[in-house]
Amino acid sequence: DGGITQSPKYLFRKEGQNVTLSCEQNLNHDAMYWYRQDPGQGLRLIYYSQIVNDFQKGDIAEGYSVSREKKESFPLTVTSAQKNPTAFYLCASRADSGNQPQHFGDGTRLSIL
Amino acid sequence: GENVEQHPSTLSVQEGDSAVIKCTYSDSASNYFPWYKQELGKRPQLIIDIRSNVGEKKDQRIAVTLNKTAKHFSLHITETQPEDSAVYFCAASLTGGFKTIFGAGTRLFVKA
Repeated sequence: DGGITQSPKYLFRKEGQNVTLSCEQNLNHDAMYWYRQDPGQGLRLIYYSQIVNDFQKGDIAEGYSVSREKKESFPLTVTSAQKNPTAFYLCASRADSGNQPQHFGDGTRLSIL
Repeated sequence: GENVEQHPSTLSVQEGDSAVIKCTYSDSASNYFPWYKQELGKRPQLIIDIRSNVGEKKDQRIAVTLNKTAKHFSLHITETQPEDSAVYFCAASLTGGFKTIFGAGTRLFVKA
């Protein structure tokens, strides 16, 4: 969807380095999400945010951190504590009613150097 | 906790045949069921959805059915084409809830 922009498309991380993945949306959605997808696997929820300045851990939050200072932006930091960061990361947003679809960005592919 | 089970994990059909993917959800309060298609290296995209006040919805070659009593919903693709080859995810959510629970995905191969 053109309403969600993820950058960069490809990212390489060195040992001990923190990296930040960007996610911006112009859909005026309250809720935003980060998922991790490993090859041939499904979507695993890392963090989600229902509203500005509030966010909740998902199923695999260890080694990751987020912030939600603006409604439009929900950056994800992959810290050095995440020992196996190589994956495809998808950001999504949704209107807050619950019975609406999530809209996904194009994803960021993160690899270890 | 909430869970969505999806079957089969892999499905191979001949071009022109039908494909059916089935999902079962655990939270009886769920009232919204979207289906996403994800091509290799791309984003998941919504292809059809159904809300709990209807039992079936159709859009050209794609249809979804919902059985609230059994907590089952299914995706039906008729007259499959090679471009239907992708991974399909079912999901469930509920009004007022902020999490969408996804199934593990079905990899569909359509052989020409």
